[in-house]
Amino acid sequence: DQQVKQNSPSLSVQEGRISILNCDYTNSMFDYFLWYKKYPAEGPTFLISISSIKDKNEDGRFTVFLNKSAKHLSLHIVPSQPGDSAVYFCAAIVTGTASKLTFGTGTRLQVTL
Amino acid sequence: GAVVSQHPSRVICKSGTSVKIECRSLDFQATTMFWYRQFPKQSLMLMATSNEGSKATYEQGVEKDKFLINHASLTLSTLTVTSAHPEDSSFYICSARDRGRSPGHGYTFGSGTRLTVV
Repeated sequence: DQQVKQNSPSLSVQEGRISILNCDYTNSMFDYFLWYKKYPAEGPTFLISISSIKDKNEDGRFTVFLNKSAKHLSLHIVPSQPGDSAVYFCAAIVTGTASKLTFGTGTRLQVTL
Repeated sequence: GAVVSQHPSRVICKSGTSVKIECRSLDFQATTMFWYRQFPKQSLMLMATSNEGSKATYEQGVEKDKFLINHASLTLSTLTVTSAHPEDSSFYICSARDRGRSPGHGYTFGSGTRLTVV
């Protein structure tokens, strides 16, 4: 039962353009969402997060949007840079419990020159 | 920032032997640590939640007698893969929870361990 899904396994974007990575979830108890960037053979590194009481959070080139009614969130990267090429995972938590992260399936982003 | 050290980064072992992986929080105390497993081109699947001083909580389908977890101190959790078989070959990642930080910044991951069982 995949509670967090990223339906696009890969995405290719030209340098300087916007990258939009999508994530859907099914568990309405999730109240905090995170995005991680991961390179092969390394652990994930935190990018940006959003609480369910907000619908947008911005940090530099990264913006996360949350649509609770649709159980959907997206990560926007603008402008995209070659160094952004990696696998991106969204993750969700039910805070106040064991607080374990549930990860999505990942999207491989390739930023081309 | 918070740092989690995971060792070894890669290990090759013979089938039937046991392998221990260490996960240390270097600059914070982690009452809770998590162990994940990642198959090629797949998501990170949570194996178990490790709580300092108590038994680990395993996810459904994870054999607790095969994947032994010990969290004896606030900075160290270990995962021992017992009687390893080739199907245990995978990428194992630990994460430590720093409850003094917001959820966004409160999870720090180790660099992972590539286990190959031959």
